[in-house]
Amino acid sequence: GQQVMQIPQYQHVQEGEDFTTYCNSSTTLSNIQWYKQRPGGHPVFLIQLVKSGEVKKQKRLTFQFGEAKKNSSLHITATQTTDVGTYFCAGKGSNDYKLSFGAGTTVTVRA
Amino acid sequence: SAVISQKPSRDICQRGTSLTIQCQVDSQVTMMFWYRQQPGQSLTLIATANQGSEATYESGFVIDKFPISRPNLTFSTLTVSNMSPEDSSIYLCSVEIGLHYGYTFGSGTRLTVV
Repeated sequence: GQQVMQIPQYQHVQEGEDFTTYCNSSTTLSNIQWYKQRPGGHPVFLIQLVKSGEVKKQKRLTFQFGEAKKNSSLHITATQTTDVGTYFCAGKGSNDYKLSFGAGTTVTVRA
Repeated sequence: SAVISQKPSRDICQRGTSLTIQCQVDSQVTMMFWYRQQPGQSLTLIATANQGSEATYESGFVIDKFPISRPNLTFSTLTVSNMSPEDSSIYLCSVEIGLHYGYTFGSGTRLTVV
């Protein structure tokens, strides 16, 4: 199956600043999904991207799927303390029913 | 999306014993997925449970250690057998409801083996 790499592993952000987490796959993906896991919680689905070059926004979160469908990014603007948690990308291959999760980016926010 | 009831939420077990984790989904699903998440780590797929057939295990996971039952389309159990401290982890079940809603996860079972 495909491998999904995610960087950075940790992101320490000043409240109000922006940051981006990146995801790369060794193979072409049929879709990529993003999840957020709050400390002590379970992963919660945020969004799914399917089309090459697709961009989707959820308030301060912007998700992008690369043209080659091998990479993705999550950009958060004006970080708030509610953004604390670990963000996982997860990809599904063209002929695969399974999700492969990236290592996650753990975000902490300095007030 | 689906609602998953997973239990127990946590347990402390003696080495050599077994623990069975249950997941109940509020709708019928073809596949249920069992994941392990070690502290501070990502999610690793243990196996995929299909109703009416044996579970499909990922590399590094075997049925003798992690037997799975899937008696119907809304329920599954994962047993962690002959536990050792290395099995201490969070175990999560998940399902996919439709193509556009991602995976829904249970709240997880935090297992500590002493």
